[in-house]
Formats: sequence, structure tokens, C-alpha cells
Amino acid sequence: GESVGLHLPTLSVQEGDNSIINCAYSNSASDYFIWYKQESGKGPQFIIDIRSNMDKRQGQRVTVLLNKTVKHLSLQIAATQPGDSAVYFCAENNQGGKLIFGQGTELSVKP
Amino acid sequence: DADVTQTPRNRITKTGKRIMLECSQTKGHDRMYWYRQDPGLGLRLIYYSFDVKDINKGEISDGYSVSRQAQAKFSLSLESAIPNQTALYFCASQGADTQYFGPGTRLTVL
Repeated sequence: GESVGLHLPTLSVQEGDNSIINCAYSNSASDYFIWYKQESGKGPQFIIDIRSNMDKRQGQRVTVLLNKTVKHLSLQIAATQPGDSAVYFCAENNQGGKLIFGQGTELSVKP
Repeated sequence: DADVTQTPRNRITKTGKRIMLECSQTKGHDRMYWYRQDPGLGLRLIYYSFDVKDINKGEISDGYSVSRQAQAKFSLSLESAIPNQTALYFCASQGADTQYFGPGTRLTVL
């Protein structure tokens, strides 16, 4: 069946370091992927997206990489800050108008 | 002002009670969604609507019903609440591809 999963449930990084959060997906027909950030007590917030015809997309301090060969998605956060502490979800659009979400990775930034 | 709003933000109720959670969006989106989130888990889809006349069940629709009163409004009802429906509930609306989420409703069923 379809699934989107994350390799690590928790990630702890030092402030100023770069963070990498990984995600595996199983539906090769998915053509659109999104990363969301969810802070405690809040709804998921859109961070960045990427379409399947791209390998890389950059935003402000964030980069998403897509490897379709191994069905792998990653989110890189440069110079991680305390405000980046949150749970990060990847999601795939399975072309059925629905998003399938991964379990989430909790990012903790140490000062 | 927030684009997707949910009311109430918190609710405590008793087993067997009927509960309605409301969602409104000002983005003019046709597509709206209701999700449930349990601790340590991702989002699971309860119901979704592609327009006012189109309602679809998600993966965990049992025990829930929805109403799409207008393009901007999508409500979720628990006909007879049970304790395992205690969770965080999120509404979302979707533009082209991206879903935008409300702040959530924390529901506790005693």
C-alpha cells in the first residue's frame, strides 16, 4: 500500500549547525511533495514543496531534495535556530487529491 | 487574520454526546479536509470535500460525519462521542496543490 515514512522520529542538533530530515515514500506515481512544520499547539505550516520533475528546490534557509530512484525526500535546514524546533512532516500527493503524511520527525535545537 | 479558522479550539465532552467542530476558510478554495492527529502520529484523513456537492470518506470516517454548508465552511460531527475519539482535529483547505491548515481543535471525550 501507499505509505510515507520518516527514517528518524527525533533529531537533536546544535544551534548553528545544519539539519537534515529524511523521508521515504512508496508511491512512484506521486508527483508532488510537501514539507510541513508543526510547532507545539499549532497546525502544520507549509515550508516548501517540490514536484517530481525536479531534484532540488531551495527556499530561505531550507532546501528540499528529491531522489526518485530510491523514493527518498529530504529537508535540509541551514544554520538551524531555536525557532526551528518543531515536528516536521513530509507529505506526498498521490494524484487523488489527497495528501499522505509521514509520521513526523521532532527536531530539537540545542543552544 | 488567519485564512483557516476552527471553533472551538478546545472542547471537553462526555461519552455519548454529539459534538460539532466548525471550520471556515477565506482563501476561496474549493477543496477542504478534516484530519485527526494522535500523539506521536501523523495526520489521518477523516473526510474531504472537493466542492459543496462532493463529500468523500477518508481512511477513518467511522463515527464521524461532515457537512459542507458553503464553499467556505466545512463542519465535522461526532454523532456519539467515545473516549478513543480524544485527539487533535485539523481542518485544511487546498488551493492548486498545497493544503493550508487551521490551528486545530483539541477534543477530549471523558
